[in-house]
Amino acid sequence: GQNIDQPTEMTATEGAIVQINCTYQTSGFNGLFWYQQHAGEAPTFLSYNVLDGLEEKGRFSSFLSRSKGYSYLLLKELQMKDSASYLCAVIDSNYQLIWGAGTKLIIKP
Amino acid sequence: IAGITQAPTSQILAAGRRMTLRCTQDMRHNAMYWYRQDLGLGLRLIHYSNTAGTTGKGEVPDGYSVSRANTDDFPLTLASAVPSQTSVYFCASSEHGTGASGELFFGEGSRLTVL
Repeated sequence: GQNIDQPTEMTATEGAIVQINCTYQTSGFNGLFWYQQHAGEAPTFLSYNVLDGLEEKGRFSSFLSRSKGYSYLLLKELQMKDSASYLCAVIDSNYQLIWGAGTKLIIKP
Repeated sequence: IAGITQAPTSQILAAGRRMTLRCTQDMRHNAMYWYRQDLGLGLRLIHYSNTAGTTGKGEVPDGYSVSRANTDDFPLTLASAVPSQTSVYFCASSEHGTGASGELFFGEGSRLTVL
C-alpha cells in the first residue's frame, strides 16, 4: 500500500529552527508538495520538489531525497504565526496525489 | 480576488437527507477536486474533474456524486447522507489536471455534520 509518514505533533520556540520530516512509500514518484494549514482554514501551497536537493524560499526550505523516500521542511526564525499543520503530499506513478496526515506545529514564546 | 468559493460553510444534516455542497472558481482552472479531511487522516480525494464535461472517481467516491457542466462549477452531492460522511469537505482547483505538478488552490471548506 501507499504510505506517507509525518510526526503527528511538534513543539518549537519562537525564533528557533524546526525541521519537519516526511517519509513516503508510494508506487512511483512524480513530485512532492508541502502545504500549510492553519486551524479551521484551507491548506495553502508552500513548496514543490521533484529533483533531489534543497529548495529555499525565504524562511522556509524543503529538501528531497528520492533514493531515501524522504523529505523535510525547514522553518527558520520561527514566528507565532507559523503555528499550523504542515501537510506532505506525493504524486505517485499514476499521477495521483497521496497526502500525509499532517504535522501540527506548536510555537511557544 | 475570490479564488474558490464553497457553500455552505457549515451544515447540520439529518441522516438520509440529500445535500449538495457548492463550489465555484473564478480562476479558469481546468481541474477541480473534492476532498474530505478527517482528524488523524490525510486529505482523501472523493471525485475529480480534469476538464469541463469529465469527472473521475477518487479514493473514497461511494455515497457521493459530482458534475462538471462548465469550467467554474463543481458541485458535490450526497444522495442520502450517513453519519460517516460527517467531515470537513474541501473543494480545490489546479490549472492543469492530474499528471501535472501544479499547486492546488483550496476553498475555505464546508463543515458537514450528519446526525
